[in-house]
Amino acid sequence: AQSVTQPDIHITVSEGASLELRCNYSYGATPYLFWYVQSPGQGLQLLLKYFSGDTLVQGIKGFEAEFKRSQSSFNLRKPSVHWSDAAEYFCAVGGGDTGFQKLVFGTGTRLLVSP
Amino acid sequence: GAVVSQHPSRVICKSGTSVKIECRSLDFQATTMFWYRQFPKQSLMLMATSNEGSKATYEQGVEKDKFLINHASLTLSTLTVTSAHPEDSSFYICSAGIDGYTFGSGTRLTVV
Repeated sequence: AQSVTQPDIHITVSEGASLELRCNYSYGATPYLFWYVQSPGQGLQLLLKYFSGDTLVQGIKGFEAEFKRSQSSFNLRKPSVHWSDAAEYFCAVGGGDTGFQKLVFGTGTRLLVSP
Repeated sequence: GAVVSQHPSRVICKSGTSVKIECRSLDFQATTMFWYRQFPKQSLMLMATSNEGSKATYEQGVEKDKFLINHASLTLSTLTVTSAHPEDSSFYICSAGIDGYTFGSGTRLTVV
């Protein structure tokens, strides 16, 4: 069965500093990998996704993630964090032969941005 | 891009009543939609897969008689929480997608 681990419950980063959020997955085949961001009381916004091809994926808001099959990881990075990036971040894994597959989410990492 | 609209965004209902939540795909057809539930400060858990024109598929532990799902058209799926109780209070969110797995904005249900 698929599973996702986000080992950091919360992370505090100074504004302007770089960010890396960790995500490890367990899936037998090639996974579909996602990063979502959720502000309090809001829905999920897709930051980026990986299906195949280039393992370094660029997303919105200056985020990127790198798929490392050997490490079963899909870590999210941003070179310079802005105060507006403070939110909950979820890594998710899906897969299958069709495009419509259910996602398994990690427990999330809450990002706090200090001045 | 794909847009998923969810309504209402917030609802408060009395214990014992039923509440319907709508999930619409606005610019694409969705033969499959997904319903998730999120408890406060926790992750999202898949409740069920909504299939257009057929019965929904529920995840283990989800009461199908309490959470009724109807997917009568290619753009609309509804989740009805029947005989709601305070423990059903939660954030419910749907998703659909062509390749991006787009989520609705969610519905905060409070049962009093």
